[in-house]
Amino acid sequence: QKEVEQNSGPLSVPEGAIASLNCTYSDRGSQSFFWYRQYSGKSPELIMFIYSNGDKEDGRFTAQLNKASQYVSLLIRDSQPSDSATYLCAVIVGGKLIFGQGTELSVKP
Amino acid sequence: GAVVSQHPSWVICKSGTSVKIECRSLDFQATTMFWYRQFPKQSLMLMATSNEGSKATYEQGVEKDKFLINHASLTLSTLTVTSAHPEDSSFYICSAREGHPNTEAFFGQGTRLTVV
Repeated sequence: QKEVEQNSGPLSVPEGAIASLNCTYSDRGSQSFFWYRQYSGKSPELIMFIYSNGDKEDGRFTAQLNKASQYVSLLIRDSQPSDSATYLCAVIVGGKLIFGQGTELSVKP
Repeated sequence: GAVVSQHPSWVICKSGTSVKIECRSLDFQATTMFWYRQFPKQSLMLMATSNEGSKATYEQGVEKDKFLINHASLTLSTLTVTSAHPEDSSFYICSAREGHPNTEAFFGQGTRLTVV
């Protein structure tokens, strides 16, 4: 089992809709979880991090963490074409930042 | 957020030569730096973790004699790809972290290496 798993997509949503991105992880001891956005040819940029169970909101983004289910998700409200990118879930495992394979999101105008 | 500068942003080299990539934390002290490699349409694969003043820890399958990592100061780590071959062509990205292992890491801009 991979340490961090995501649906590779692509996920396509219409402009204005909610995009839902999911991630599962295997190490129950993990305490820190991150969502990064990566545009083609660019380095990842941090969108959000979450440490505690529940929801964390920042603007149009909401991260959700469920440690019992080893599940973390990212919701993007009012999706815009500029949100089209690959979204990477990352988890700290043994002090190392490990990435999932990424989900490609396409927001159609 | 903190700034990590990676240089060069792209490099083309001949097969058999060596290439050095620098990663600098500009406004914080990076106790830990990570080096990743990313092939097209794939995710970031961790190559190695380096802590200032100590030897790097390489992930399984990464040749430490081919990918030399030096983290001599709290603001600079270097990755040297030795005897580069076309299959080493990839996007190399560094990230740096200050302090606690569970805190976020900040990424450099990445280096596109093409070996011809």
